[in-house]
Amino acid sequence: DTGVSQNPRHKITKRGQNVTFRCDPISEHNRLYWYRQTLGQGPEFLTYFQNEAQLEKSRLLSDRFSAERPKGSFSTLEIQRTEQGDSAMYLCASSSITSGRYGEQFFGPGTRLTVL
Amino acid sequence: DQQVKQNSPSLSVQEGRISILNCDYTNSMFDYFLWYKKYPAEGPTFLISISSIKDKNEDGRFTVFLNKSAKHLSLHIVPSQPGDSAVYFCAASANQAGTALIFGKGTTLSVSS
Repeated sequence: DTGVSQNPRHKITKRGQNVTFRCDPISEHNRLYWYRQTLGQGPEFLTYFQNEAQLEKSRLLSDRFSAERPKGSFSTLEIQRTEQGDSAMYLCASSSITSGRYGEQFFGPGTRLTVL
Repeated sequence: DQQVKQNSPSLSVQEGRISILNCDYTNSMFDYFLWYKKYPAEGPTFLISISSIKDKNEDGRFTVFLNKSAKHLSLHIVPSQPGDSAVYFCAASANQAGTALIFGKGTTLSVSS
């Protein structure tokens, strides 16, 4: 399977703990995006990378959220000092600006976070 | 303030009939629009897109219509099939490089046989 993969698929944590999620994009894609989806809502954009450069991070929800993409391959999203309001599905997507449908983003299955 | 609105949370259609899903937007800077389909426990899957320079795009059973003056787009599925039952999201981008996608809340389509 050459789609976008995310790990873990589910994460249950206690309030105040730190969590980290991983996303592996489609191998030839140079853009990688993180979204958050809560119940009854559409995905909400958080941040994106082009190769290893984080080009937009102003929509990260607070300074407890950070993302990295070392070497322009996989990416991690970390949430520090989790709160119950952080419970959501975290989606990763990737795209290529050199091929494929212009603007189309391919999504992974998501990581569902539950904060107790 | 929701920039992309899908005002119908759900739609029920019989197999073989047409499904019409609607989407309205408020930001006149949006120039690229996409429809995604989502099954439970999966990520959204791209369906079809349209650039603001067009008013119609067709792909098999799926057609998207764009009315820029009304800031409205719609997705037509003809004929509808039970496998089309899913949540459909409308999304928009302010530049065709496809950076941040702004999504609506989704419409749940149920196609009965």
